Amino acid sequence: EVQLVQSGAEVKKPGESLKISCKTSGYSFTSYWIAWVRQMPGRGLEWMGIIYPSDSDTIYSPSFQGQVTISADKSISTAYLQWSSLKASDTAVYFCARHFLTGTKDPQFGPWGQGTLVTVSS
Amino acid sequence: QSVLTQPPSASETPGQTVTISCSGSSSNIRSNYVSWYQQFPGTTPKLLIYRTDQRPSGVPDRFSGSKSGTSASLAISGLRSEDEADYYCAAWDDSLSGGVFGGGTKLTVL
Repeated sequence: EVQLVQSGAEVKKPGESLKISCKTSGYSFTSYWIAWVRQMPGRGLEWMGIIYPSDSDTIYSPSFQGQVTISADKSISTAYLQWSSLKASDTAVYFCARHFLTGTKDPQFGPWGQGTLVTVSS
Repeated sequence: QSVLTQPPSASETPGQTVTISCSGSSSNIRSNYVSWYQQFPGTTPKLLIYRTDQRPSGVPDRFSGSKSGTSASLAISGLRSEDEADYYCAAWDDSLSGGVFGGGTKLTVL
């Protein structure tokens, strides 16, 4: 069974750094793109970026370029999303999602991680 | 404002068919596949349609996807109360070189 298990909820202060994880299992980690998707409270889904774990090729949305870093560790089949300096506006649920089909960058996501709630407040 | 435009809400009675639209442009919907997701409040999105009109195994054939030009549609036939959820479309955008979502449509089953 394909599974994506994300790290737990985080409460941080503005200016702090954070790295959340998405541990995968049940498939070849290096064969599928993985995406990160943001959902702010009461809002819709936003495509943040994707990574191809085989060679760490990464594509960011212009809205998130320079604001976050997406990475992956092939040795433990885990993808990451990190911030160097959080803002209150980063408060949201962040989902990781595996692309449904191998080798394609098209946003066709399934399955999804359970989501990580990040709260940034002073 | 989302690159892909969806109506904020839709409603229909049980047993009927509802169609949710997703309007884009030549750089996204016209030239790329569209996917659709269902999300219940507080839960993870679920893939309903991929490659514009394909259903993953386990998704009922009451759900169908299509596109024409720069617009795509999700049709849900034989509506049930449990279909009440938020629905999102997504596609690759060649101009942005990235993925984009629609703003979402909240479906109410009356």
